[in-house]
Amino acid sequence: DTAVSQTPKYLVTQMGNDKSIKCEQNLGHDTMYWYKQDSKKFLKIMFSYNNKELIINETVPNRFSPKSPDKAHLNLHINSLELGDSAVYFCASSQDTLAIYNEQFFGPGTRLTVL
Amino acid sequence: AQSVTQLGSHVSVSEGALVLLRCNYSSSVPPYLFWYVQYPNQGLQLLLKYTTGATLVKGINGFEAEFKKSETSFHLTKPSAHMSDAAEYFCAVSVRLFGNEKLTFGTGTRLTIIP
Repeated sequence: DTAVSQTPKYLVTQMGNDKSIKCEQNLGHDTMYWYKQDSKKFLKIMFSYNNKELIINETVPNRFSPKSPDKAHLNLHINSLELGDSAVYFCASSQDTLAIYNEQFFGPGTRLTVL
Repeated sequence: AQSVTQLGSHVSVSEGALVLLRCNYSSSVPPYLFWYVQYPNQGLQLLLKYTTGATLVKGINGFEAEFKKSETSFHLTKPSAHMSDAAEYFCAVSVRLFGNEKLTFGTGTRLTIIP
């Protein structure tokens, strides 16, 4: 049974479109994250939610909007897609916000390609 | 600001040889350090972490890392490489952000195992 799942696994779309990526965790964790991994494998946090509340919002264009309908779900909506948005997006979860105590569990990633 | 630097974006070792992946950190306060592994087309998985206490930390799959404050290092080692160790390895440091912590990742080291 998958701990952190993401859909879709692959997403190919045209510039200017709007798309969403969904994430679900069945670990009972309170905190969820979105990361972006670029073509050089550099991994950077975008957002973090704790108990459905936004707690970390890095310098991300406001075209990116996360939504957490409940503790088990954190979706990422992207408006007006640009070429530079092409990357692998990872969802992750942890028991709470303290990274020193909590392992972050990562989903398999969503490879977004903007043409 | 806290950061980690991984020396060597690619490391190749022969099967059965010692694996050494280097990570140096920069931190104004005692850091919490992590190593994650990413197998092809998968999310990241925690290998090991250092928070406080014993400076030699053992992780999964026979890996270990030693926290050396004098050298600001947290190098990852494994005595004998196995083909299944081929993956991307990320060093990370925990950064406190307004009471919530986030992981800042290094740029990764791709480990190739030569048969």
